[in-house]
Amino acid sequence: KNQVEQSPQSLIILEGKNCTLQCNYTVSPFSNLRWYKQDTGRGPVSLTIMTFSENTKSNGRYTATLDADTKQSSLHITASQLSDSASYICVVSAFYGNNRLAFGKGNQVVVIP
Amino acid sequence: NAGVTQTPKFQVLKTGQSMTLQCAQDMNHEYMSWYRQDPGMGLRLIHYSVGAGITDQGEVPNGYNVSRSTTEDFPLRLLSAAPSQTSVYFCASSRGQGAEQYFGPGTRLTVT
Repeated sequence: KNQVEQSPQSLIILEGKNCTLQCNYTVSPFSNLRWYKQDTGRGPVSLTIMTFSENTKSNGRYTATLDADTKQSSLHITASQLSDSASYICVVSAFYGNNRLAFGKGNQVVVIP
Repeated sequence: NAGVTQTPKFQVLKTGQSMTLQCAQDMNHEYMSWYRQDPGMGLRLIHYSVGAGITDQGEVPNGYNVSRSTTEDFPLRLLSAAPSQTSVYFCASSRGQGAEQYFGPGTRLTVT
């Protein structure tokens, strides 16, 4: 069964500090991996997408990495801001299948001043 | 473009009542889906549609019905609400299953 595991489940960081979120997956055959940001009370919004051949992708202060060999991805947040407080969800897509998407449970990030 | 819209935003039902959660998108996306999100569980797929007239079950379909008569609309029906269906429901649309999902703002449902 395709699965996505995220760690840590939650973390608290000081404003201005960096943090890294982890995503491990067992989806096969792998198509792409996306990180979504979900603010409290809102729907998730896509931050980055990575395919098999990409190992780094940036979106402003967010940098995602992908190691397709070890089936691991990370999302690095640089110089955190209060607006980074959110849940970050890793979603991995298989190439085919009826239910192609596998969702992680999310990393809950709280940025404090 | 309004993107993906959902109504209502909040709803309280009594056990046994039925209701329909509305979802509409104006991006001409073929793929639409419904998820429920519960604390500690993440997003779980209820039903999905790959185009008008075509629907299929996801991971947790029991107690829910869907139909897709137009490309734009994908309503979710609760046949006989149960307290276990208390959750936040998200509708999403995309060009395809593996493409970027565009989520609606969600409906917070409480069943008493």
